Amino acid sequence: AQSVSQHNHHVILSEAASLELGCNYSYGGTVNLFWYVQYPGQHLQLLLKYFSGDPLVKGIKGFEAEFIKSKFSFNLRKPSVQWSDTAEYFCAVGGGSQGNLIFGKGTKLSVKP
Amino acid sequence: EAGVTQSPTHLIKTRGQQATLRCSPISGHTSVYWYQQALGLGLQFLLWYDEGEERNRGNFPPRFSGRQFPNYSSELNVNALELEDSALYLCASSPGTTNEKLLFGSGTQLSVL
Repeated sequence: AQSVSQHNHHVILSEAASLELGCNYSYGGTVNLFWYVQYPGQHLQLLLKYFSGDPLVKGIKGFEAEFIKSKFSFNLRKPSVQWSDTAEYFCAVGGGSQGNLIFGKGTKLSVKP
Repeated sequence: EAGVTQSPTHLIKTRGQQATLRCSPISGHTSVYWYQQALGLGLQFLLWYDEGEERNRGNFPPRFSGRQFPNYSSELNVNALELEDSALYLCASSPGTTNEKLLFGSGTQLSVL
């Protein structure tokens, strides 16, 4: 069965610090990988996605993620966080290009100004 | 373009009652997905409908059910409500069965007293 594991429940950083949020997945086949963000009081929004090709994908607001197939990982990074990045971040996996996504439990990011 | 709309925004019920939640997808989207977002548990997949048919179901008891109407809107029904059903219920839609473009609504907050 598909599953997604996010290592950190709550991360607290100061502005300008670098960010890396871990995500590991379990699935025995082709996967599509996603990072979604949920800002306080807002709906879930897509940050970035990986389907194939270059394992380093860039998303909105300066975020990027690297797919490492051998490690079943898709970690999210940002070189310098801002207070406005305070949100909850969810990693998700889809089996191929169709159907529902399986989400991790989320990582809450708090950025101190 | 209108986004995914969900109603009601908030719903308060007591144990044993039934709840009905509604979702209208983005125009042109034929797939609707339902997720439960309970505190600390992330998004758990409930149901996926496409073209009026149930395509996949998550690991939830049968008292969670739903349907999709000819206009692609969808209903989620939860029977015999339990306290642990209290959660934010999110609906997402996508054009066809692709998971590349899931767009989420703002959710229905269900409180079971």
